[in-house]
Amino acid sequence: SQQGEEDPQALSIQEGENATMNCSYKTSINNLQWYRQNSGRGLVHLILIRSNEREKHSGRLRVTLDTSKKSSSLLITASRAADTASYFCATDEGGNKLVFGAGTILRVKS
Amino acid sequence: NAGVMQNPRHLVRRRGQEARLRCSPMKGHSHVYWYRQLPEEGLKFMVYLQKENIIDESGMPKERFSAEFPKEGPSILRIQQVVRGDSAAYFCASSPRRQGIGDEQFFGPGTRLTVL
Repeated sequence: SQQGEEDPQALSIQEGENATMNCSYKTSINNLQWYRQNSGRGLVHLILIRSNEREKHSGRLRVTLDTSKKSSSLLITASRAADTASYFCATDEGGNKLVFGAGTILRVKS
Repeated sequence: NAGVMQNPRHLVRRRGQEARLRCSPMKGHSHVYWYRQLPEEGLKFMVYLQKENIIDESGMPKERFSAEFPKEGPSILRIQQVVRGDSAAYFCASSPRRQGIGDEQFFGPGTRLTVL
């Protein structure tokens, strides 16, 4: 069954703006991971946040996790055209298999 | 340090043929996962393997699909008697070990299967 649900489905912004994507899930998790996928390519791991963590940073990326609301957000600051891609959240419920959402398509216009 | 390798990158088969997809995990990784991605959708888990063991195959279709990860060599995802609905991108991922709170999974570039 679909666990992670991303919101919005598509997002179009200007270069330099911030992009925020949200993910909701239904069951208890061990961790939540965010991935990026460029069109027709493989997935690139961005960041993993564990269930006992609330916020994590990596470069221009900031991820938050609210286990009480079963939600996470990915913030990309000062976006660049190269950030144009699909972004997926994936949850690990403890069995090591990841459950992916349908993704957010981000388009950054230069 | 090479990443996860998959081959072939593109595979075309006619209905009824067999498809064999290969995955070599990252060096030092003993856990392999297969996922399938249909167009415009997210990835769906298929199977989780360790060397010579299937740990979780809850996402595998009951018929025609099988997977293995032998002691030597790559992991193989095998699809027998392919149908058009099998057309998808198949991704392999690997992780170093299983921890109580999970590991990052590193993905290969995928194999794009087209069934004519």
